[in-house]
Amino acid sequence: DAMVIQNPRYQVTQFGKPVTLSCSQTLNHNVMYWYQQKSSQAPKLLFHYYDKDFNNEADTPDNFQSRRPNTSFCFLDIRSPGLGDAAMYLCATSRRDRSRDRVWYEQYFGPGTRLTVT
Amino acid sequence: SQQGEEDPQALSIQEGENATMNCSYKTSINNLQWYRQNSGRGLVHLILIRSNEREKHSGRLRVTLDTSKKSSSLLITASRAADTASYFCAVAGGTSYGKLTFGQGTILTVHP
Repeated sequence: DAMVIQNPRYQVTQFGKPVTLSCSQTLNHNVMYWYQQKSSQAPKLLFHYYDKDFNNEADTPDNFQSRRPNTSFCFLDIRSPGLGDAAMYLCATSRRDRSRDRVWYEQYFGPGTRLTVT
Repeated sequence: SQQGEEDPQALSIQEGENATMNCSYKTSINNLQWYRQNSGRGLVHLILIRSNEREKHSGRLRVTLDTSKKSSSLLITASRAADTASYFCAVAGGTSYGKLTFGQGTILTVHP
């Protein structure tokens, strides 16, 4: 089945120690998103890739970076995690049709990575 | 902000009853989407309703959209214990293509 996979499902890191979360997809979607979701809150978009084009949200801290080496994979790098970065990180994909530029489609989410910072 | 705001924040019902959740937003939209999230899991897309649509059905789900009032509702009929989850509305539109802005969600508990 086509899907969005996130690894690991649970990640524990130390304060200030860089961490990388990964996301892969078999849907062949050209858009990939990273969200941060804290307990009992709405998912908050950090950034997204449209093909190779990176789109950062204005309020995403510089501490968060992303890489998309190919269509299938996308990584979230947290350079120096703080206690406030403990959250669920959700990857999502969607398609974008260049010939129908103003059409939004649904997003498909992975199961998330729960990040704990000690 | 286009953020959807949901009402109620929490809803507790018995199996077999209907559950209605409401979402309001502030600006024009391309479409509005509803998602479900089981505890500690990712979000699952339920239904998408476009700005030129007024009502949409999918199984036991019914979504309405009133663009004049900038509001939407999600109705789950004949609820089941397995429907227990958080439900989020998300609005799509504006100048930032592809961005969904999520509401705070409604926590639905269905008691067997």
